[in-house]
Amino acid sequence: DVKVTQSSRYLVKRTGEKVFLECVQDMDHENMFWYRQDPGLGLRLIYFSYDVKMKEKGDIPEGYSVSREKKERFSLILESASTNQTSMYLCASSPTGGWDTEAFFGQGTRLTVV
Amino acid sequence: AQRVTQPEKLLSVFKGAPVELKCNYSYSGSPELFWYVQYSRQRLQLLLRHISRESIKGFTADLNKGETSFHLKKPFAQEEDSAMYYCALSVGNQGGKLIFGQGTELSVKP
Repeated sequence: DVKVTQSSRYLVKRTGEKVFLECVQDMDHENMFWYRQDPGLGLRLIYFSYDVKMKEKGDIPEGYSVSREKKERFSLILESASTNQTSMYLCASSPTGGWDTEAFFGQGTRLTVV
Repeated sequence: AQRVTQPEKLLSVFKGAPVELKCNYSYSGSPELFWYVQYSRQRLQLLLRHISRESIKGFTADLNKGETSFHLKKPFAQEEDSAMYYCALSVGNQGGKLIFGQGTELSVKP
């Protein structure tokens, strides 16, 4: 069974803290993604990576960075957390393939910044 | 501009009634479209993709390039269909880079 695992289900952090969200996949997928899910806005792409040590900005990268040191792990970093980053964060992975390749999602991390 | 629009935030129907969840897109190329579903307390998962032309759990979706639509349909809704549905457009040459609509919550009442 394919698996994308996010290290925390719920996180509460203080404004200004540096926050790490971790994601691991066990499917040997090349591609990994971080999305943010907000009611009424759907999912928006923050960053993605098509290979180890490679990263590309998505649609809303401001205030975030990422790290991909190993193929199976993709970390999202909030450099200085702010209350407007309170959200549900979803990690996803997909294999190399065409435009129609399925993405597999983690269970999500609900981050609250106070 | 690349965009996916789901005009209905909430759709409420009775069990056995037909369901249509609307999705419209804006894309200059040839679109690859998906429907993803999130059941309560479960992770987001693929329901169907237009290129497969298959029916999953009784749902079908037809790509209409003239109307730039990809509506999701089911002739007889079941209570277990209650979930959040997202229409998504692939915008990378690798799968997974997606633009999502705002989502439609489907509620099927007994």
